[in-house]
Amino acid sequence: QKEVEQNSGPLSVPEGAIASLNCTYSDRGSQSFFWYRQYSGKSPELIMSIYSNGDKEDGRFTAQLNKASQYVSLLIRDSQPSDSATYLCAVWPPSNTGKLIFGQGTTLQVKP
Amino acid sequence: DAMVIQNPRYQVTQFGKPVTLSCSQTLNHNVMYWYQQKSSQAPKLLFHYYDKDFNNEADTPDNFQSRRPNTSFCFLDIRSPGLGDAAMYLCATSRDLGREKLFFGSGTQLSVL
Repeated sequence: QKEVEQNSGPLSVPEGAIASLNCTYSDRGSQSFFWYRQYSGKSPELIMSIYSNGDKEDGRFTAQLNKASQYVSLLIRDSQPSDSATYLCAVWPPSNTGKLIFGQGTTLQVKP
Repeated sequence: DAMVIQNPRYQVTQFGKPVTLSCSQTLNHNVMYWYQQKSSQAPKLLFHYYDKDFNNEADTPDNFQSRRPNTSFCFLDIRSPGLGDAAMYLCATSRDLGREKLFFGSGTQLSVL
């Protein structure tokens, strides 16, 4: 089992729709969770961090964390073509070895 | 305004010719990381420095070395690049280990001819 799993997609949504991106992780003791956006040929850009169960909202983005289910999600409301990118889920394991664990990423395509 | 700066943005080298990639930061973060990312794959951690303490990942080839002469700068040396080393190399920093956000530079796209 991979430590952080994401569906590679592509996930295709029409402009204006809600895009839902999902991530599961294997280490139950993990405490810190991040979503990075990566455009093709560019470096990852942090868009959300979440540490506690529940929802965290920032503009059109909402991160959701359920530690009991070991599940993190990212919702993008009113999706725009400029949101088309790969979204990487990243998790700090409790071992504190310096290794932030990345998922493989989900490619999102927002169609005008 | 840039906080983590990588140079160059694109690097072309020849098979077997040593190459050095550089990274600098203005955040005064303790930790600096080097990741390798190939197309459609997750970033793969090569090593990290916590201050001057070097931490190598077990599966990082010996061909890859790193130096951190001071808090601000970190270098990635590839001693004898092979075709399989063509990738995006990402430098990142964080204030500390665990729970901390990583801030990435713009990356260096390495091509090996």
